[in-house]
Amino acid sequence: DSGVTQTPKHLITATGQRVTLRCSPRSGDLSVYWYQQSLDQGLQFLIQYYNGEERAKGNILERFSAQQFPDLHSELNLSSLELGDSALYFCASSKEGTGYGTQYFGPGTRLTVL
Amino acid sequence: EDQVTQSPEALRLQEGESSSLNCSYTVSGLRGLFWYRQDPGKGPEFLFTLYSAGEEKEKERLKATLTKKESFLHITAPKPEDSATYLCAVQASAAGNKLTFGGGTRVLVKP
Repeated sequence: DSGVTQTPKHLITATGQRVTLRCSPRSGDLSVYWYQQSLDQGLQFLIQYYNGEERAKGNILERFSAQQFPDLHSELNLSSLELGDSALYFCASSKEGTGYGTQYFGPGTRLTVL
Repeated sequence: EDQVTQSPEALRLQEGESSSLNCSYTVSGLRGLFWYRQDPGKGPEFLFTLYSAGEEKEKERLKATLTKKESFLHITAPKPEDSATYLCAVQASAAGNKLTFGGGTRVLVKP
């Protein structure tokens, strides 16, 4: 158990819908990262938040957005869902924002878009 | 652009048969190289971080090494419970904290 929690574990929805994925980092960690894992793309970095502020962006679609709240939990919002958005979404956390730091991953949310 | 290539894609081993996994990388300034283990449907589990060429780290039957262009994960006398996908990732100085992952090596250890 990494100490990172994610809810829900599974999510099944229809095209065009909007969903919210939630992540709670390890105690004491200030950075939260979101990654997408699909069969054809592997693990891809989406976005990083550090202590409530966006720190880095990867190949995140405009339909996707995220935020980190004062209690440091984070939410990833996916809207206008398409079949291709079906994937595993992982959250990771680390202590540091800009320095060296190991990222610990949560158990993931499996999103299925029908 | 940072690139990470892992080989082989899949590896079938007999219990006790040692082997090595390769991770080749191209980055503009390596900040760290990470190895993770991932079981099906689960999140990646952290194994090692290597920071500079020549560095080695060990944990039970696993040993990770790093050169300027690649890293190896040696599995000594593997057991069936070592079956998993092993992921390599790099963190580049110019890319902030994001990790760039390779495609992984799926390891199956048969009893």
